Amino acid sequence: QVHLQESGPGLVKPPETLSLTCTVSGYSIGSGYFWGWIRQPSGQGLEWIASVSHTGNTYYSPPLKSRVTMSLDSPNNQFFLRLTSVTAADTAIYFCARAGRGSKDFDYWGQGTQVTVSS
Amino acid sequence: QTVVTQEPSFSVSPGGTVTLTCGLSFGSVSTTHYPSWYQQTPGHPPRTLIYSTNTRSSGVPDRFSGSILGNKAALTITGAQADDESYYYCVLFMRTGIWVFGGGTKLTVL
Repeated sequence: QVHLQESGPGLVKPPETLSLTCTVSGYSIGSGYFWGWIRQPSGQGLEWIASVSHTGNTYYSPPLKSRVTMSLDSPNNQFFLRLTSVTAADTAIYFCARAGRGSKDFDYWGQGTQVTVSS
Repeated sequence: QTVVTQEPSFSVSPGGTVTLTCGLSFGSVSTTHYPSWYQQTPGHPPRTLIYSTNTRSSGVPDRFSGSILGNKAALTITGAQADDESYYYCVLFMRTGIWVFGGGTKLTVL
């Protein structure tokens, strides 16, 4: 069974950098699939942030592209999100997820981690 | 900027049929967007219902079905049950390699 777990600081001060880690078990991230980050502000909808292919190709949401970086650490089966210059608008639950290369759906999700941006 | 549109809310009677749609601000949704549908309880990760337009995810009841209707993707619930009351999101995969979620539909069963 594939399992994803997000980790990172729950509180970030503006305009610092948010860094999150997703640790994957049950599947080797270097073997295939896309790996991504999705967020959800309280009471609002889902927003796709970024994805990375198993070979390291990255794809970013246009509105966030200037502030976002994703990367892979295949040996440790982890992938990362870095979001710079955060503001209160970045406060959300952040989910990591796996997406099928053929089906393009997000088939496995982490439980999510709450990130609050506040001074 | 690409915007994916969904009805903000919908109501259905128990046992009734409802179709939720997923459109694009510009152009038509097709199978090449690999539309997928998710059910979510706020604060919890979404659950995949449908992927690649019309394929039910494992364990999803067959009262859920996906299709393309006109220029939109559609999720149809036939014989709605009380525990179908939830939020439903679609997501489209764009040729540029990015995903875009719709704003979600809050479905009420009453």
